[in-house]
Amino acid sequence: GENVEQHPSTLSVQEGDSAVIKCTYSDSASNYFPWYKQELGKGPQLIIDIRSNVGEKKDQRIAVTLNKTAKHFSLHITETQPEDSAVYFCAASGGGKLIFGQGTELSVKP
Amino acid sequence: ETGVTQTPRHLVMGMTNKKSLKCEQHLGHNAMYWYKQSAKKPLELMFVYNFKEQTENNSVPSRFSPECPNSSHLFLHLHTLQPEDSALYLCASSLPSGGLHEQFFGPGTRLTVL
Repeated sequence: GENVEQHPSTLSVQEGDSAVIKCTYSDSASNYFPWYKQELGKGPQLIIDIRSNVGEKKDQRIAVTLNKTAKHFSLHITETQPEDSAVYFCAASGGGKLIFGQGTELSVKP
Repeated sequence: ETGVTQTPRHLVMGMTNKKSLKCEQHLGHNAMYWYKQSAKKPLELMFVYNFKEQTENNSVPSRFSPECPNSSHLFLHLHTLQPEDSALYLCASSLPSGGLHEQFFGPGTRLTVL
């Protein structure tokens, strides 16, 4: 079955810097890769997703890149702000079942 | 608000108790999910329902019993739990699973088993 590895587990950046979180997956049939943000006391919320027919997608300060050959995808956050502090999860899906990474706790210091 | 509500938000129970978690979605979705979130571990899928039918049971112990009376409501019945079952239990919903659809999560129920 699918296995998703996420790195790093914790990430601390200064406000205004960029943050990058990386994930690898094992099942070459996976074709949907969402990223979720989980704030304290809340459930995960989708922030961006990418499908396998696209290599890159951007939404304001957030971008995701996908390398299907290498089976890895990354989340890029530019101009980080304190409100970006949260736990971020990547996931991969090949048939409606999402397999999540272990999560990255991002801390943005003012 | 995501349109998915869960009650109760916090629950403390003994190993011999019976309790139920409730999830309700107001998004018109047809698929509902239960996940377990433990500290330092990935979200673990427990059950999937599509159009009220269970389509996935991810080798979950029988002390967890799901129920989906309609497409808007999902329950997780708990009995004779173990301390290691303490975790955050998340409910989610989406358009029918099997496609590439966003899952909307509720805030979760924080369960502590004494």
